[in-house]
Amino acid sequence: AAGVIQSPRHLIKEKRETATLKCYPIPRHDTVYWYQQGPGQDPQFLISFYEKMQSDKGSIPDRFSAQQFSDYHSELNMSSLELGDSALYFCASSLRGGIKNIQYFGAGTRLSVL
Amino acid sequence: SQQGEEDPQALSIQEGENATMNCSYKTSINNLQWYRQNSGRGLVHLILIRSNEREKHSGRLRVTLDTSKKSSSLLITASRAADTASYFCATDGKNFGNEKLTFGTGTRLTIIP
Repeated sequence: AAGVIQSPRHLIKEKRETATLKCYPIPRHDTVYWYQQGPGQDPQFLISFYEKMQSDKGSIPDRFSAQQFSDYHSELNMSSLELGDSALYFCASSLRGGIKNIQYFGAGTRLSVL
Repeated sequence: SQQGEEDPQALSIQEGENATMNCSYKTSINNLQWYRQNSGRGLVHLILIRSNEREKHSGRLRVTLDTSKKSSSLLITASRAADTASYFCATDGKNFGNEKLTFGTGTRLTIIP
């Protein structure tokens, strides 16, 4: 079965640079979530989209933005990168409206800011 | 963590033994889920228990939920070396549109062969 695809898997950037992370949800899933996991930390919710509209927002810095496109893939754009942005970034997708809110996670993008 | 704490934070047991991890949360929930994460990898959904359920089984996994104490436990029976991973509980809210997952701090489980 198709899973959530994230690209790239690894990304190395310098401070103040920009980065774009991509996420392709499971086919027919209508909701995408982005999470950030710092070293040794639990995943923290950043933002979510339902049917291409932002549905919820968490602790996402103003330097970050995201959108979901017509084909349901999503991109997380990160600007003015800081050392503290180094983390694993996960995308998850789900089918909203079901009784169970099971979110399926991608393998993540490991961002290193030098 | 904004929502819950898990204990223990690290657990090492011999292969074949049972492993129990606990999780507490703070707000009203719709579901509580357990996820597993191998080092630096993605999160894999293990089991979900709804707020009106008290116990759930899936293979070697047993989850309990006590909403009065806002706590849950995950039991892995007959542990195997391949169970070595970090385990997170995650809750989602009651309201439609509040499905984001709030994770606990995780338990790092090491199975000693």
